[in-house]
Amino acid sequence: SAVISQKPSRDICQRGTSLTIQCQVDSQVTMMFWYRQQPGQSLTLIATANQGSEATYESGFVIDKFPISRPNLTFSTLTVSNMSPEDSSIYLCSVPPANNYGYTFGSGTRLTVV
Amino acid sequence: AQSVTQLGSHVSVSEGALVLLRCNYSSSVPPYLFWYVQYPNQGLQLLLKYTSAATLVKGINGFEAEFKKSETSFHLTKPSAHMSDAAEYFCAVSGKSGGYQKVTFGTGTKLQVIP
Repeated sequence: SAVISQKPSRDICQRGTSLTIQCQVDSQVTMMFWYRQQPGQSLTLIATANQGSEATYESGFVIDKFPISRPNLTFSTLTVSNMSPEDSSIYLCSVPPANNYGYTFGSGTRLTVV
Repeated sequence: AQSVTQLGSHVSVSEGALVLLRCNYSSSVPPYLFWYVQYPNQGLQLLLKYTSAATLVKGINGFEAEFKKSETSFHLTKPSAHMSDAAEYFCAVSGKSGGYQKVTFGTGTKLQVIP
C-alpha cells in the first residue's frame, strides 16, 4: 500500500492566521481525500482532491476556508484559513486503495488554535 | 447512502480477555468494510478489510472480523487482549461500485485494557 508523509505533525497557531498542511505520497494517485477529526469525534470528510481539477467539498466545508492544492499526482496541500479555536482538530489526508487493499492515511496534523 | 454504527463509545476489558467491538453497517450496494485503529497522537492504521471474499477476515495484531450479511454486522474480535491494544477503533464502509468512493466512518470505540 502507499506510504504518505504528512507535515507538520502538530502546530499551535494564533487565531486569525492560516496553516498549510502537506501530504506527499510515494506513488501516483488520482484522488486524495482530506479529513477532519474534531476532539473526541470521528473523521469527517472535508473534500476530495483530484489532480488537475477543482476539489470537491462536502456539505459544511467551503473553499475559502479550506483551500486545497493538487499540483501533481503525488502531492496535495490543505490550508486552514482565518483560524479560530473551533478549528482545533486533527487533519488527515488519505489515498484510495491500490492492489485492492485499504485506504491509507497520513499520520495526521494535530492543530491547536489559541 | 451508507453508514456505520458502532455500539459503545468505550469498552473496557481485562488483559487476556476477549475483545469484541461491535459495528453495524448500512449500504445500498455490497460494501467494502474496514476496521482502523488509532493509537494516541497517531494517524489511522488499517487493521483489516472485507471485500466480498471470505466472510471471516483476519487482520494484523491478532484481530479478526466476521461479515454477516443477514445481521448487517462486521464485529471486530481478538481472543486475548494485550495492554498494547488500548487505542481507538473505527469501523468504516465504502461502496463497492463507482471506483474510489469516499469512506464513511463510525464514531469510534475507545478500548481500555485493564491489567
